[in-house]
Parts: sequence; structure tokens; C-alpha cells
Amino acid sequence: GAVVSQHPSWVICKSGTSVKIECRSLDFQATTMFWYRQFPKQSLMLMATSNEGSKATYEQGVEKDKFLINHASLTLSTLTVTSAHPEDSSFYICSAAPTGILGQPQHFGDGTRLSIL
Amino acid sequence: AQRVTQPEKLLSVFKGAPVELKCNYSYSGSPELFWYVQYSRQRLQLLLRHISRESIKGFTADLNKGETSFHLKKPFAQEEDSAMYYCALSFDRGSTLGRLYFGRGTQLTVWP
Repeated sequence: GAVVSQHPSWVICKSGTSVKIECRSLDFQATTMFWYRQFPKQSLMLMATSNEGSKATYEQGVEKDKFLINHASLTLSTLTVTSAHPEDSSFYICSAAPTGILGQPQHFGDGTRLSIL
Repeated sequence: AQRVTQPEKLLSVFKGAPVELKCNYSYSGSPELFWYVQYSRQRLQLLLRHISRESIKGFTADLNKGETSFHLKKPFAQEEDSAMYYCALSFDRGSTLGRLYFGRGTQLTVWP
């Protein structure tokens, strides 16, 4: 079945550093991937739509300069949390749907737990 | 704006009892509705979607446009159904590129 891999699964770093999270579709191509954020005991909140070869589309209220998204290939999207601070600590999840196949559902990664000290 | 509402954060039933997880949405157009499930220590996965009109693992969900609801039902709950269930909505109907907006989730526990 379709698999989406996220790396790293857990990262702890100091305040002020930038953290990059990778999202890969392992056995299918994805023109579009999605990034979600989940606070403890809360729902997934869509942050942005990552588009291969073009700029990401951000949801209202999401800082573009804080959460940089790059979708350089049909199997890889990266989310960089720039100058991370404790309030950026959260669980980040990506998803992807196979390109060109109508009706295919999104497949989710395992998520990345980000802890900023 | 809150587009998907799951009123119950926690729901417990005994094995063999019927279960209904509620989901209401707010959108004036024709959205596509989904139920996603997350079992313990596993990733989020699609359970069913309203356009498929199918039953998965004994679960069904009917879209009621009048009540703007998409409740998930199962007549006889099993212990292995214990999981977190998320209702989700997409505005990009018919597209593979659909953004999903999730409810807060309902943690279902089925007691033996």
C-alpha cells in the first residue's frame, strides 16, 4: 500500500534554531502534499498545501516566514520551522495523495514531535 | 472558523453495544466528508468516505445534508474498534488535491 514516511520522528532542540522535517512518498508520486499541526489532545490543523515545483499555499493565520515549505520533487516535501521557539513545539504531520488518480485518499505520515527548549 | 464539530471527546461502550460517533459540519456548498481512524501507536488512516457509500469494518456513515451531519455508526462494537476517530471535510470535491479540515476527534473505548 501507499506509504508516507516522515523524518525525523522526534526532535528536541534549543530555542532559536531551525528545524527541517522531511515528508516522503515511498511508492507513489505526489504533486501535492499537506502539512498539519496537532497540539496535545486537539485536532489536526491544516497549515499549508505543498505544491511540487511551485510555492506552497498557506492557511489563514499560518506564518509563511516561520514555516518554510519546499516541494522539490514528486516524492519529497520539507517543512522548515525557522528560529523555533517553545510555542512552536507541537506534533507535525504530513499527508500525500497519489498524483493523477482521481478519488485516491490522502495517506498520512507517522508525524514528527518537535520539542523546543 | 469551526467547520467540523465532534461534540464528544470521549465515548465508551461495552462490546456488542451499538455505537454512534457524531459529526456535524458547517458549509453551504457540497463538501466531501470522511472518517479517519487512528489506532494506538499507528498513523492516521482513512476509514470511509461518504461518496463511497460502503461499510468498512462494520461502520457506516450517511451524509445528512438537512442536518449537516455525517455520524459514524456500528451496530455491534468490538474491542478492536477502540481508537481515536476523526471526522474530516474537504471543499475540493472530486479532486485529488483536497485540503482536509478535521474535527477535534472522539476517543472511542469499547469495554469487554
